[in-house]
Amino acid sequence: QSVLTQPPSASGTPGQGVTISCSGSSSNIGSHDVYWYQQFPGTAPKLLIYKNNQRPSGVPDRFSGSKSGTSDFLAISGLRSEDEADYYCAAWDDSLSGWVFGGGTKLTVL
Amino acid sequence: EVQLVESGGGLVQPGGSLRLSCAASGFTLSGYWMTWVRQAPGKGLEWVANINQDGSRKHYVDSLKGRFTISRDNAKNSLYLQMNSLRAEDTAVYYCSRDMGESWGQGTLVTVSS
Repeated sequence: QSVLTQPPSASGTPGQGVTISCSGSSSNIGSHDVYWYQQFPGTAPKLLIYKNNQRPSGVPDRFSGSKSGTSDFLAISGLRSEDEADYYCAAWDDSLSGWVFGGGTKLTVL
Repeated sequence: EVQLVESGGGLVQPGGSLRLSCAASGFTLSGYWMTWVRQAPGKGLEWVANINQDGSRKHYVDSLKGRFTISRDNAKNSLYLQMNSLRAEDTAVYYCSRDMGESWGQGTLVTVSS
């Protein structure tokens, strides 16, 4: 069981919006920045969102992050077929003195 | 261009050891925390360890403490992961990354099997 909880799957149709949640606790999301990663099969992950809502250069503004208490959210607007991938959240955890990942969400674009 | 290239993976018997390396280029290694993350076949990402800029601070996932050691040689632009007493459950692709995933290597596969 992952310390951060994500839904195992999410889906949407092209052009729609979808939100992926990442639920944690006061020792991680509640007190630290959250990072989101995108991973395609057989490839290394790619940083999508850092420090809760910042996008690295090159990441489309269709991707956005937000936080509410001990949960974080990755929103993807205007879904495209190329967004079909696995998405992971991560945060530092004070209780564990280490980083923790969510279990990952497989996004399907129908 | 930032580049991270892992090496040292392969097939090892249970109880054996491996040392992974990560060669960094395109940036000054000494300016960054560095991280190892692994991914077992068909599974999610698992943070393994990280190390600060001068190697004086290291953190490990609890389940690996005592078996894995992270280190770095800034003069050689290299990050390392010494893995001892390897078990079947350590089978995974091991990635090195700058900071917490700002840039990633392509990964190196470690297979622990008899």
